[in-house]
Amino acid sequence: DGGITQSPKYLFRKEGQNVTLSCEQNLNHDAMYWYRQDPGQGLRLIYYSQIVNDFQKGDIAEGYSVSREKKESFPLTVTSAQKNPTAFYLCASTFWGGGNQPQHFGDGTRLSIL
Amino acid sequence: ELKVEQNPLFLSMQEGKNYTIYCNYSTTSDRLYWYRQDPGKSLESLFVLLSNGAVKQEGRLMASLDTKARLSTLHITAAVHDLSATYFCAVATSMDSNYQLIWGAGTKLIIKP
Repeated sequence: DGGITQSPKYLFRKEGQNVTLSCEQNLNHDAMYWYRQDPGQGLRLIYYSQIVNDFQKGDIAEGYSVSREKKESFPLTVTSAQKNPTAFYLCASTFWGGGNQPQHFGDGTRLSIL
Repeated sequence: ELKVEQNPLFLSMQEGKNYTIYCNYSTTSDRLYWYRQDPGKSLESLFVLLSNGAVKQEGRLMASLDTKARLSTLHITAAVHDLSATYFCAVATSMDSNYQLIWGAGTKLIIKP
């Protein structure tokens, strides 16, 4: 079945450590997105990518980095520069331009500080 | 800057009642999406509204879009406990050829048996 796979489901980060969240999709979608959700809040866009080897900053990109070396994959690195990384991270994908297609979401990764 | 406001942010209601969630947005857009999120879970797409006057229904949920008023509504008919969740609206913005969704803060809906 087609879908978006995020891993791990839970992740703990130590002080000064970089951690990488995985996002893989087999929907043949062009665009992929990373969102951050804090408790009781809506979604905030971190980064998005329209095509391979290209990505754009969202509203809260500071302290995060991404790569898009393959169409199927869009990993997110939470760097030590992100001082408040505890949140629920959601990866999404869709066909570029959206149109009548919604963004499809993975099951999320919950990141906490040790 | 496109802003999306949902209200109410929290709603507690009894089973069998009707209610409406409102989603207002601040600038022109021709695409609006409704999603559902269960506690601790990911987001599930409910409706895609693409034109003025669009109305879509699925079970006890009905969504509509008025692009002139920049308003979408999600109406719940004869609520049942299983509809308890947080509901988000998201509006598409396509400035400078970049397609993004701007999200409302969500409406947490609790339906009591």
